[in-house]
Amino acid sequence: DQQVKQNSPSLSVQEGRISILNCDYTNSMFDYFLWYKKYPAEGPTFLISISSIKDKNEDGRFTVFLNKSAKHLSLHIVPSQPGDSAVYFCAASEGNEKLTFGTGTRLTIIP
Amino acid sequence: DVKVTQSSRYLVKRTGEKVFLECVQDMDHENMFWYRQDPGLGLRLIYFSYDVKMKEKGDIPEGYSVSREKKERFSLILESASTNQTSMYLCASSTGQGAYEQYFGPGTRLTVT
Repeated sequence: DQQVKQNSPSLSVQEGRISILNCDYTNSMFDYFLWYKKYPAEGPTFLISISSIKDKNEDGRFTVFLNKSAKHLSLHIVPSQPGDSAVYFCAASEGNEKLTFGTGTRLTIIP
Repeated sequence: DVKVTQSSRYLVKRTGEKVFLECVQDMDHENMFWYRQDPGLGLRLIYFSYDVKMKEKGDIPEGYSVSREKKERFSLILESASTNQTSMYLCASSTGQGAYEQYFGPGTRLTVT
């Protein structure tokens, strides 16, 4: 049973526009959420995180929004750049160091 | 910077062979993890370890075992490789001090023929 779901396998966005990646979860015990970025032939790298006590966290061009009532989080990238083309995974934790990952969304930025 | 290294980038093995995948981290992290990544399935946790000689099963431990004799090294063992274990294997580590961020190695692409 997939507890963390990324329903869009792929997304294409024009350079300079906003990229919005979505993630839904079913486990109400999750209280910490992370986004990872993965280039081909490399391991995932940490991008940004959010605790369940917040509804927004921002780091430069990246903002993560959390809607606990809807069990939904999203990652906004503004403005999108060609180097943002990668696979993005969301992940969630129940308050321990074990993470549950989503299936990933492949983002392609069109120049 | 945290560095997580994996012994091989690419590996080809035959069905029935015993396979060892090695992972080393240089940041004195308490926790280490093994995942496999498959298309459409994301990253799935195989095993993790929160201390030397300690291990816990993840979501898909069948067909795998692990060993952690030293804090910096975590090995994944395929006792008898099968074709359905063809995958990308990723090792990660985390501090174990309440921080959830995990640092990943570059991955090992294993093909079992």
